[in-house]
Amino acid sequence: EAGVTQSPTHLIKTRGQQATLRCSPISGHTSVYWYQQALGLGLQFLLWYDEGEERNRGNFPPRFSGRQFPNYSSELNVNALELEDSALYLCASSLTGYGTEAFFGQGTRLTVV
Amino acid sequence: KQEVTQIPAALSVPEGENLVLNCSFTDSAIYNLQWFRQDPGKGLTSLLLIQSSQREQTSGRLNASLDKSSGRSTLYIAASQPGDSATYLCAALRLSGTYKYIFGTGTRLKVLA
Repeated sequence: EAGVTQSPTHLIKTRGQQATLRCSPISGHTSVYWYQQALGLGLQFLLWYDEGEERNRGNFPPRFSGRQFPNYSSELNVNALELEDSALYLCASSLTGYGTEAFFGQGTRLTVV
Repeated sequence: KQEVTQIPAALSVPEGENLVLNCSFTDSAIYNLQWFRQDPGKGLTSLLLIQSSQREQTSGRLNASLDKSSGRSTLYIAASQPGDSATYLCAALRLSGTYKYIFGTGTRLKVLA
Protein backbone atom coordinates (compact mmCIF):
# COMPACT_ATOMS: atom_id res chain seq x y z
CA GLU A 1 0.00 0.00 0.00
CA ALA A 2 1.38 3.40 -0.94
CA GLY A 3 2.18 5.78 1.86
CA VAL A 4 1.71 9.52 1.92
CA THR A 5 3.29 11.00 -1.17
CA GLN A 6 4.41 14.58 -1.59
CA SER A 7 5.54 16.46 -4.66
CA PRO A 8 7.81 17.97 -5.62
CA THR A 9 10.66 16.69 -3.47
CA HIS A 10 12.56 19.92 -3.85
CA LEU A 11 11.40 23.36 -4.92
CA ILE A 12 13.45 26.49 -5.43
CA LYS A 13 11.64 29.80 -5.72
CA THR A 14 12.53 33.44 -5.74
CA ARG A 15 11.36 35.81 -3.03
CA GLY A 16 7.92 37.19 -3.88
CA GLN A 17 6.89 34.20 -6.00
CA GLN A 18 4.23 31.64 -5.19
CA ALA A 19 4.85 28.00 -4.32
CA THR A 20 2.43 25.10 -4.62
CA LEU A 21 3.06 21.88 -2.74
CA ARG A 22 1.01 18.73 -3.20
CA CYS A 23 0.12 15.81 -0.99
CA SER A 24 -1.63 12.52 -1.65
CA PRO A 25 -2.85 10.77 1.50
CA ILE A 26 -2.92 7.07 2.14
CA SER A 27 -5.90 5.51 0.42
CA GLY A 28 -8.94 5.69 2.68
CA HIS A 29 -7.61 8.53 4.80
CA THR A 30 -9.77 11.62 4.88
CA SER A 31 -7.64 13.93 7.01
CA VAL A 32 -4.57 15.77 5.82
CA TYR A 33 -2.24 17.88 7.94
CA TRP A 34 0.50 20.26 6.90
CA TYR A 35 3.50 21.09 9.04
CA GLN A 36 6.50 23.36 8.55
CA GLN A 37 9.93 22.36 9.81
CA ALA A 38 12.34 25.24 9.49
CA LEU A 39 16.02 24.74 10.16
CA GLY A 40 16.70 24.73 13.87
CA LEU A 41 13.02 24.87 14.74
CA GLY A 42 10.57 22.18 15.60
CA LEU A 43 7.57 21.07 13.62
CA GLN A 44 4.99 23.82 13.46
CA PHE A 45 1.38 23.02 12.66
CA LEU A 46 0.09 24.79 9.56
CA LEU A 47 -3.26 23.40 8.45
CA TRP A 48 -5.66 20.53 8.95
CA TYR A 49 -8.18 19.44 6.34
CA ASP A 50 -10.84 16.83 6.86
CA GLU A 51 -13.53 15.78 4.42
CA GLY A 52 -12.69 18.66 2.14
CA GLU A 53 -12.92 21.40 4.74
CA GLU A 54 -10.32 23.37 6.64
CA ARG A 55 -10.76 22.38 10.27
CA ASN A 56 -7.92 24.23 11.90
CA ARG A 57 -4.95 26.38 11.06
CA GLY A 58 -1.83 27.25 12.95
CA ASN A 59 -0.33 30.62 13.71
CA PHE A 60 0.76 31.46 10.17
CA PRO A 61 -0.09 34.48 8.01
CA PRO A 62 -2.91 34.27 5.44
CA ARG A 63 -0.45 33.92 2.58
CA PHE A 64 -0.23 30.29 3.67
CA SER A 65 -3.35 28.63 2.36
CA GLY A 66 -4.48 25.37 0.92
CA ARG A 67 -7.31 23.15 -0.01
CA GLN A 68 -8.40 19.56 -0.04
CA PHE A 69 -9.85 18.01 -3.16
CA PRO A 70 -12.74 15.52 -3.41
CA ASN A 71 -10.22 12.66 -3.65
CA TYR A 72 -8.74 13.92 -0.33
CA SER A 73 -5.46 14.99 -1.85
CA SER A 74 -4.33 18.39 -0.74
CA GLU A 75 -2.44 21.40 -1.93
CA LEU A 76 -0.53 23.96 0.12
CA ASN A 77 0.00 27.37 -1.43
CA VAL A 78 2.46 29.92 -0.15
CA ASN A 79 2.12 33.36 -1.69
CA ALA A 80 4.57 36.26 -1.66
CA LEU A 81 7.42 33.99 -0.59
CA GLU A 82 9.87 35.27 1.97
CA LEU A 83 13.34 33.96 2.72
CA GLU A 84 12.19 32.62 6.09
CA ASP A 85 9.66 30.38 4.34
CA SER A 86 12.57 28.12 3.41
CA ALA A 87 11.84 24.88 5.23
CA LEU A 88 10.85 21.26 4.94
CA TYR A 89 7.09 21.05 4.52
CA LEU A 90 5.60 17.82 5.75
CA CYS A 91 2.20 16.41 4.99
CA ALA A 92 0.51 13.77 7.09
CA SER A 93 -2.69 11.84 6.73
CA SER A 94 -4.88 9.90 9.13
CA LEU A 95 -7.95 7.76 8.80
CA THR A 96 -10.00 10.48 10.40
CA GLY A 97 -8.93 13.66 12.10
CA TYR A 98 -9.98 12.53 15.50
CA GLY A 99 -7.16 10.76 17.23
CA THR A 100 -6.21 8.15 14.68
CA GLU A 101 -2.58 7.50 13.89
CA ALA A 102 -0.90 10.04 11.64
CA PHE A 103 1.43 8.96 8.84
CA PHE A 104 3.85 11.41 7.28
CA GLY A 105 5.24 11.84 3.80
CA GLN A 106 8.87 12.50 2.96
CA GLY A 107 8.36 16.22 2.66
CA THR A 108 8.99 18.98 0.17
CA ARG A 109 12.14 21.01 0.68
CA LEU A 110 11.30 24.60 -0.25
CA THR A 111 14.19 26.97 -0.74
CA VAL A 112 13.50 30.65 -1.24
CA VAL A 113 16.37 32.66 -2.73
CA LYS B 1 -1.30 25.89 25.95
CA GLN B 2 0.24 22.51 25.36
CA GLU B 3 4.02 22.38 25.47
CA VAL B 4 6.04 19.28 24.76
CA THR B 5 9.62 18.93 25.95
CA GLN B 6 12.10 16.22 25.12
CA ILE B 7 15.15 15.39 27.16
CA PRO B 8 17.94 14.91 26.35
CA ALA B 9 18.31 17.00 23.21
CA ALA B 10 21.12 14.77 22.02
CA LEU B 11 22.44 11.40 23.05
CA SER B 12 25.41 9.33 21.94
CA VAL B 13 25.69 5.72 23.06
CA PRO B 14 27.72 2.64 22.13
CA GLU B 15 26.01 -0.10 20.19
CA GLY B 16 24.11 -2.60 22.33
CA GLU B 17 23.06 -0.23 25.07
CA ASN B 18 19.50 0.03 26.27
CA LEU B 19 18.33 3.61 26.38
CA VAL B 20 15.40 5.77 27.41
CA LEU B 21 14.15 8.91 25.72
CA ASN B 22 11.89 11.23 27.67
CA CYS B 23 8.94 13.33 26.63
CA SER B 24 7.05 15.69 28.93
CA PHE B 25 3.81 17.51 28.18
CA THR B 26 2.10 20.22 30.17
CA ASP B 27 -1.53 19.51 29.38
CA SER B 28 -2.65 16.11 30.68
CA ALA B 29 -5.84 16.26 28.62
CA ILE B 30 -4.25 14.53 25.68
CA TYR B 31 -6.00 12.17 23.33
CA ASN B 32 -2.97 10.20 22.34
CA LEU B 33 0.82 10.34 22.22
CA GLN B 34 2.75 9.30 19.17
CA TRP B 35 6.47 8.66 18.75
CA PHE B 36 8.19 9.28 15.44
CA ARG B 37 11.62 8.81 13.97
CA GLN B 38 13.13 11.30 11.53
CA ASP B 39 16.26 10.69 9.49
CA PRO B 40 18.16 13.80 8.34
CA GLY B 41 16.23 15.74 5.71
CA LYS B 42 13.52 13.12 5.58
CA GLY B 43 9.92 12.78 6.66
CA LEU B 44 8.65 11.23 9.85
CA THR B 45 8.20 7.52 10.40
CA SER B 46 5.57 6.55 12.93
CA LEU B 47 6.97 4.25 15.59
CA LEU B 48 4.31 3.86 18.25
CA LEU B 49 0.94 5.37 19.08
CA ILE B 50 -0.38 5.27 22.63
CA GLN B 51 -4.04 6.06 23.11
CA SER B 52 -4.97 7.99 26.25
CA SER B 53 -6.61 4.89 27.74
CA GLN B 54 -3.41 2.86 27.29
CA ARG B 55 -0.28 2.85 29.38
CA GLU B 56 2.19 1.37 26.94
CA GLN B 57 2.80 0.01 23.48
CA THR B 58 5.50 -2.29 22.19
CA SER B 59 6.94 -2.92 18.76
CA GLY B 60 10.02 -5.07 18.43
CA ARG B 61 12.85 -3.47 20.40
CA LEU B 62 10.76 -0.40 21.14
CA ASN B 63 8.51 0.17 24.12
CA ALA B 64 6.68 3.40 24.82
CA SER B 65 4.87 4.21 28.03
CA LEU B 66 2.43 6.96 28.89
CA ASP B 67 1.67 8.46 32.30
CA LYS B 68 -0.90 11.17 31.84
CA SER B 69 -1.05 12.10 35.50
CA SER B 70 2.62 13.05 35.54
CA GLY B 71 2.61 14.36 31.99
CA ARG B 72 5.30 11.98 30.78
CA SER B 73 6.01 9.48 28.08
CA THR B 74 9.16 7.43 27.64
CA LEU B 75 10.51 5.56 24.65
CA TYR B 76 12.69 2.62 25.55
CA ILE B 77 15.03 1.23 22.91
CA ALA B 78 16.57 -2.13 23.68
CA ALA B 79 19.91 -3.29 22.36
CA SER B 80 20.53 -0.18 20.31
CA GLN B 81 22.03 -0.48 16.82
CA PRO B 82 23.80 2.04 14.55
CA GLY B 83 20.70 1.96 12.34
CA ASP B 84 18.73 3.47 15.22
CA SER B 85 20.65 6.72 14.78
CA ALA B 86 18.07 9.40 14.00
CA THR B 87 16.04 12.14 15.66
CA TYR B 88 13.17 10.89 17.76
CA LEU B 89 10.11 13.08 18.14
CA CYS B 90 7.13 12.73 20.39
CA ALA B 91 3.84 14.42 19.60
CA ALA B 92 0.80 14.94 21.80
CA LEU B 93 -2.66 15.14 20.35
CA ARG B 94 -4.79 17.32 22.54
CA LEU B 95 -8.26 16.29 23.62
CA SER B 96 -10.12 19.21 22.18
CA GLY B 97 -11.71 20.44 19.01
CA THR B 98 -8.40 21.43 17.55
CA TYR B 99 -7.05 17.92 17.16
CA LYS B 100 -3.58 18.96 16.19
CA TYR B 101 -0.35 17.33 17.16
CA ILE B 102 2.06 19.37 19.24
CA PHE B 103 5.59 18.17 18.64
CA GLY B 104 8.54 18.13 20.95
CA THR B 105 11.87 19.43 19.67
CA GLY B 106 13.28 15.93 19.49
CA THR B 107 16.17 13.87 20.78
CA ARG B 108 19.03 13.39 18.34
CA LEU B 109 20.38 9.89 18.88
CA LYS B 110 23.68 8.55 17.65
CA VAL B 111 24.54 4.90 18.19
CA LEU B 112 28.23 4.20 17.76
CA ALA B 113 29.41 0.95 16.21
